[in-house]
Amino acid sequence: EAAVTQSPRSKVAVTGGKVTLSCHQTNNHDYMYWYRQDTGHGLRLIHYSYVADSTEKGDIPDGYKASRPSQENFSLILELASLSQTAVYFCASSLTGSNTEVFFGKGTRLTVV
Amino acid sequence: AQKVTQTQTSISVMEKTTVTMDCVYETQDSSYFLFWYKQTASGEIVFLIRQDSYKKENATVGHYSLNFQKPKSSIGLIITATQIEDSAVYFCAMRELVGDNSKLIWGLGTSLVVNP
Repeated sequence: EAAVTQSPRSKVAVTGGKVTLSCHQTNNHDYMYWYRQDTGHGLRLIHYSYVADSTEKGDIPDGYKASRPSQENFSLILELASLSQTAVYFCASSLTGSNTEVFFGKGTRLTVV
Repeated sequence: AQKVTQTQTSISVMEKTTVTMDCVYETQDSSYFLFWYKQTASGEIVFLIRQDSYKKENATVGHYSLNFQKPKSSIGLIITATQIEDSAVYFCAMRELVGDNSKLIWGLGTSLVVNP
């Protein structure tokens, strides 16, 4: 069974503070993704990566940075957290970028106050 | 632009019945992949079933099956003999084969409630 582990599972951050969400996968997958889920918007892609040391912008990258130091690890960084970034964040991985399914972590609930 | 639309916001059914959830998509490409995912009450998102656009046969996995109507750009999810634990939000997604860096395009989901 594919495994994607996110930490922390929930976090309360202060406006203007720095937040780092971490993701670790043991699937030996090349592709990793960060999604944001808000009510009424479904899943929106923030950043993704298909190889270590390289990241790509998704559909809503503004206000977020990503880091892929190794095949297994993919982090999402909010340098200056804002109230509008309160959401549930999902990390995911897939073997390829085409016909294979995506495996999701359990999500991180981020509340910015 | 690519788009995935799930017109049913929520569906309520009785246990042990069959339910169909609709999904229509827009794409310019001739080769693409369609997926259905389930998000449980705990928030976990799990893959259910996939349909490759070049395959004419409808995919089936357990009590999940698909109704793929390519001329209508439609991919319905059918759940037979529904169980209480099928209550969840179901997402339809499409991936276009554009190089190897394609993205998944997601629908907004359909909430299914299975009543005893």
